[in-house]
Amino acid sequence: SAVISQKPSRDICQRGTSLTIQCQVDSQVTMMFWYRQQPGQSLTLIATANQGSEATYESGFVIDKFPISRPNLTFSTLTVSNMSPEDSSIYLCSVGIGGTEAFFGQGTRLTVV
Amino acid sequence: QQQVKQSPQSLIVQKGGIPIINCAYENTAFDYFPWYQQFPGKGPALLIAIRPDVSEKKEGRFTISFNKSAKQFSLHIMDSQPGDSATYFCAAVSGAGSYQLTFGKGTKLSVIP
Repeated sequence: SAVISQKPSRDICQRGTSLTIQCQVDSQVTMMFWYRQQPGQSLTLIATANQGSEATYESGFVIDKFPISRPNLTFSTLTVSNMSPEDSSIYLCSVGIGGTEAFFGQGTRLTVV
Repeated sequence: QQQVKQSPQSLIVQKGGIPIINCAYENTAFDYFPWYQQFPGKGPALLIAIRPDVSEKKEGRFTISFNKSAKQFSLHIMDSQPGDSATYFCAAVSGAGSYQLTFGKGTKLSVIP
């Protein structure tokens, strides 16, 4: 497994502002992902964070709204830009290890007011 | 289009009972099926997983049953305890080394003492 640390754990932000969420892993991993979990809902994949290249976004998610950085094999950031109340969700970092298993961080609970 | 359908949405059982959570998938390219357990305020934790070439897998009190022809799989929790009260998600992955999870909508389990 891996120890995945996310910062901040929660935040309350004003609409129109941006928040950058950090994900730090205790070991080098090839695959890192960002998911969104809306209140009381399931998890939806936002994008794959690729080291050294642009992130790969899923349908319905765009780089201008959710820019992602992956400067090395242990760290990634997700920015939620120009926030609106609809962006209020839990944002989760995930890493893939061992060919099959995916592990998650504790999540960042974002409330936009 | 929901690719992994999960039921029931919520479940209440007495301590010692055997809750059963069911999932069905449509995409025959899925070849790895993990279950995740999520407590409030926490990220999902990998519980148990199965591949389609196995009809059943047991780990402790948790058992997955898999029916490849019906494209269905289920989670059984033996001798359930109040500490098992959580939200359970089934998921599916397509392709070795993919790690990209398609989640069911989740089942909120409450185990009553």
